[in-house]
This record gives sequence, structure tokens and C-alpha cells, in this order.
Amino acid sequence: GAGVSQSPSNKVTEKGKDVELRCDPISGHTALYWYRQSLGQGLEFLIYFQGNSAPDKSGLPSDRFSAERTGGSVSTLTIQRTQQEDSAVYLCASSFRGTASTEQYFGPGTRLTVT
Amino acid sequence: KNEVEQSPQNLTAQEGEFITINCSYSVGISALHWLQQHPGGGIVSLFMLSSGKKKHGRLIATINIQEKHSSLHITASHPRDSAVYICAAGSAGTYKYIFGTGTRLKVLA
Repeated sequence: GAGVSQSPSNKVTEKGKDVELRCDPISGHTALYWYRQSLGQGLEFLIYFQGNSAPDKSGLPSDRFSAERTGGSVSTLTIQRTQQEDSAVYLCASSFRGTASTEQYFGPGTRLTVT
Repeated sequence: KNEVEQSPQNLTAQEGEFITINCSYSVGISALHWLQQHPGGGIVSLFMLSSGKKKHGRLIATINIQEKHSSLHITASHPRDSAVYICAAGSAGTYKYIFGTGTRLKVLA
């Protein structure tokens, strides 16, 4: 079956522009996660969705970052007024249930470069 | 001190060698996950375990709950095993994975 997909795969943007990153989770997965991986670094949690609601936004680095999920499916991560330090790979994952003993399935990521 | 520590950070091995990657954690867990990330690629789940040992092909994962320690072993390593291996503690009672910083493995032919 189809896995988690993300688009675009690569995005180059100028500092100060807004970007939208999209995640299509596996059908039927109620939990959705966004992570960020800076060059040579580990995975950094950004936000968790259960259905359409985001009970944990604690990982969003600043108010320039926002995310939504509609219809319990597709999610969009928006970064406003991008800065060079936002350059990273943004990964989305989904799981059947929102528990830490449930396997998360990761998308291929979006590589964001802010020039 | 990080809640999940992995060692070594980097590892270079010759093809055929037996490889061990270690993970220690300080949090209560509901499960321990081992993930693999190939260069330029996405992340795939290798194992999820809460006790004992699991085996899949040449990969073996073990966990000692009392010592809060897990190991990932690769037998008869091959260049295609070259990747970053990530340990993630599934935080008990939550949805969260707490990630280690990863072990970068390079297997030479």
C-alpha cells in the first residue's frame, strides 16, 4: 500500500519568504508527527496531531511556524518569513495510534534550503 | 545528559564483520525503537521491542529493561548496511519518541 508522502521533495527559498510543506499520511492513521533534522543533527520533534487537533505544539521553534491538519488526513506545515536557520530536512510520520509503542511510518522528507 | 545516548557515534567496519550499536536511556519506556536512515533517504523502522530479543535476517535487537539498555547487532555486515542507525525510546504513557543522535555506520567492501 501507499506509504507516507511529502511534497515538495526539495524547496529552495529566499530569506523572508513563506513556505508550505505538505504531508499525506497513510490512510487510516490517526496520529501524525512533524520532525526537523538539521544537517548532521538528530531528529527534533515539532508537532503532534491526533485527528485534526494538535494537542502538542511544544516543539514549534517560534511563532513563524504553524501547522494544520484537515479531514484527519493531509497536514501542512507553514513557515513564515523564513530564516537561514530554518534550513533542514522536514520529516513527517504517521501511526495507527498516538502511542509510543506504536510504529511510526516516516515520509521521505522535504529538504528546505533558505538562501 | 541526553535521555537517550547512543554509542558509538561513528563506526567503520570491514565487510563481514559483526557490528554492535548500543543505546542507553534514562526515561520510562513503553517500547524501544530502532530505525535506519540511508543517505538521502527516509527513515524505516527496524525493530520495536519492549523485552527480550528480536531477529530479522542479519539484524538482532536486544533490550535489558532493568539496565535500561538496548543493543542492535548486525551479523556478516555488508556495504548496503551503511546508514545511520537511530535508537528511539517510546516514552511511557505518551505518544512521544525520544531520539538518540544516531550512529553513522560505514561498511567497506
